[in-house]
Amino acid sequence: GESVGLHLPTLSVQEGDNSIINCAYSNSASDYFIWYKQESGKGPQFIIDIRSNMDKRQGQRVTVLLNKTVKHLSLQIAATQPGDSAVYFCAENMAGFQKLVFGTGTRLLVSP
Amino acid sequence: NAGVMQNPRHLVRRRGQEARLRCSPMKGHSHVYWYRQLPEEGLKFMVYLQKENIIDESGMPKERFSAEFPKEGPSILRIQQVVRGDSAAYFCASSPRTGGYEQYFGPGTRLTVT
Repeated sequence: GESVGLHLPTLSVQEGDNSIINCAYSNSASDYFIWYKQESGKGPQFIIDIRSNMDKRQGQRVTVLLNKTVKHLSLQIAATQPGDSAVYFCAENMAGFQKLVFGTGTRLLVSP
Repeated sequence: NAGVMQNPRHLVRRRGQEARLRCSPMKGHSHVYWYRQLPEEGLKFMVYLQKENIIDESGMPKERFSAEFPKEGPSILRIQQVVRGDSAAYFCASSPRTGGYEQYFGPGTRLTVT
């Protein structure tokens, strides 16, 4: 069954704020995690990924944190912009299973 | 480098008809995945293919659904005798590597069954 879930279905922030989107997973055997951004009517857009042997990875304006002790994943977006408004999904992959398991998503709303 | 391409973008079928969804992976990618998404939900895995081989079809309904990825040409997801419950967005992803990692998605095909 599905093992990835999100705490908050909607997150509203002001432009310029930092955003944090959280994700819980239940499968301790998962070894790879991805964050996707999906805008209305479009396909998921790859944002950043992280392997289970890391606890932090940074990209441009984004940081992913992985806490394997509590099975928690977060996506931090610095200086959030209106163009960041979208639904964000975390997904996990378990070694040997060759497929992604997606959470239900968090909608990020950025007000100017 | 073009991204993953899917066509058609929108497809309307009457109940009982067949739907064919096409996916061309990114250049250099030989691994293709199909997912289905219902409104306000996450994506659900359907099938994983490599050229001429189905690797994992554990997410495919047992009847009416089939997928292929021929040596030449795009990957095809075929739904026979569509029903209203098949209405969804179908996404294809490709990857340059095995194991389910690093998947890049296409824009999707939105299937509506009337």
